[in-house]
Amino acid sequence: DGGITQSPKYLFRKEGQNVTLSCEQNLNHDAMYWYRQDPGQGLRLIYYSQIVNDFQKGDIAEGYSVSREKKESFPLTVTSAQKNPTAFYLCASSIGRGYNEKLFFGSGTQLSVL
Amino acid sequence: SQKIEQNSEALNIQEGKTATLTCNYTNYSPAYLQWYRQDPGRGPVFLLLIRENEKEKRKERLKVTFDTTLKQSLFHITASQPADSATYLCALDMGKTALIFGKGTTLSVSS
Repeated sequence: DGGITQSPKYLFRKEGQNVTLSCEQNLNHDAMYWYRQDPGQGLRLIYYSQIVNDFQKGDIAEGYSVSREKKESFPLTVTSAQKNPTAFYLCASSIGRGYNEKLFFGSGTQLSVL
Repeated sequence: SQKIEQNSEALNIQEGKTATLTCNYTNYSPAYLQWYRQDPGRGPVFLLLIRENEKEKRKERLKVTFDTTLKQSLFHITASQPADSATYLCALDMGKTALIFGKGTTLSVSS
């Protein structure tokens, strides 16, 4: 089945630790996105990528980093500079990034601080 | 900057009634407006998309309207069922960067 896979489902971070969230898609989509969801806050854009080896910051990129070395993969690293990382993280993809492009989401990763 | 608001955080209705959810935005009108459904602990799932020059779009029991004068979209679920209980997200599609999402409205349908 084609789809987008996020792992792990649950992740715990210690103080000062960097953690990486995985996102893989086999939909052959060019564009990929990372959103953060907090209760009552809706989805906020962290980073997005329209093509391999290129990515742009979203509204809340500080404390996060990404890479896009392969079309299928768009991992997100939550660095120790992110002081409030507890949230539900959602990865998404779309065919491209123009008008009329619906997003396909993964099932999310819940990150908590120990 | 562009802002999007979904008027109700929660909406409770009885089975069989029509649920109406509201999405308002400020500043520029988006070329498209998208609606998603999200179940607890899951990623959103795409439902419907409507263009700015379309007044109405339907899919089974779902109907979306788009009024660029009022800067508003309404999302209707007719003959609602308990299985329709979820959070519904509205998203502005400006075509430039990524979608801008509202905070969502949580719908509860009681039997």
